[in-house]
Amino acid sequence: AQKITQTQPGMFVQEKEAVTLDCTYDTSDPSYGLFWYKQPSSGEMIFLIYQGSYDQQNATEGRYSLNFQKARKSANLVISASQLGDSAMYFCAISGTGANSKLTFGKGITLSVRP
Amino acid sequence: GAVVSQHPSWVICKSGTSVKIECRSLDFQATTMFWYRQFPKQSLMLMATSNEGSKATYEQGVEKDKFLINHASLTLSTLTVTSAHPEDSSFYICSAGPQEGNIQYFGAGTRLSVL
Repeated sequence: AQKITQTQPGMFVQEKEAVTLDCTYDTSDPSYGLFWYKQPSSGEMIFLIYQGSYDQQNATEGRYSLNFQKARKSANLVISASQLGDSAMYFCAISGTGANSKLTFGKGITLSVRP
Repeated sequence: GAVVSQHPSWVICKSGTSVKIECRSLDFQATTMFWYRQFPKQSLMLMATSNEGSKATYEQGVEKDKFLINHASLTLSTLTVTSAHPEDSSFYICSAGPQEGNIQYFGAGTRLSVL
């Protein structure tokens, strides 16, 4: 079984500053993938970033980077230069590495960016 | 990224009626699609895995006769909420991914309100 833990309460960040959203995971699979999705108030789930368990380097996508610490089983999302449009719910998720493996989501973290 | 279209985005219906929600992959073929349910301020709960040309796989506790899933083609899966009741009111969202990748892309979701 796979499990994602997101325990931070609502997060606040000042515009243009960086913020880290925490995620820890548990899995018995030797190979897995870690994901972050953004869900604004409109409800759509927007894919942000993916990290494979065997990837040597931390994933980066524009202002998003994933701080992957395998020994600690953590996959924190770092958002640099926060923008007002970053205010949303953020979900961490894990899956197996087979094509179309199902995702297991954490509870999510609400991020509010202050002007 | 890949595009997944979901329709309708919002539906209001009377108790006892059935509602069909469509999920389409627009620029890739999807042998597998996933259906989730989300209550306000909560995470996504996987309801079922939709497999093209075969029966869907339902998660424990999800009534398969209540939530009918059909995956008749490589680009379309439908979820029918049969004899809907107010407790079925929720946000339903589908996902799919290209066969060669691990990333799931989501539709925009459907808000169902049963009166």
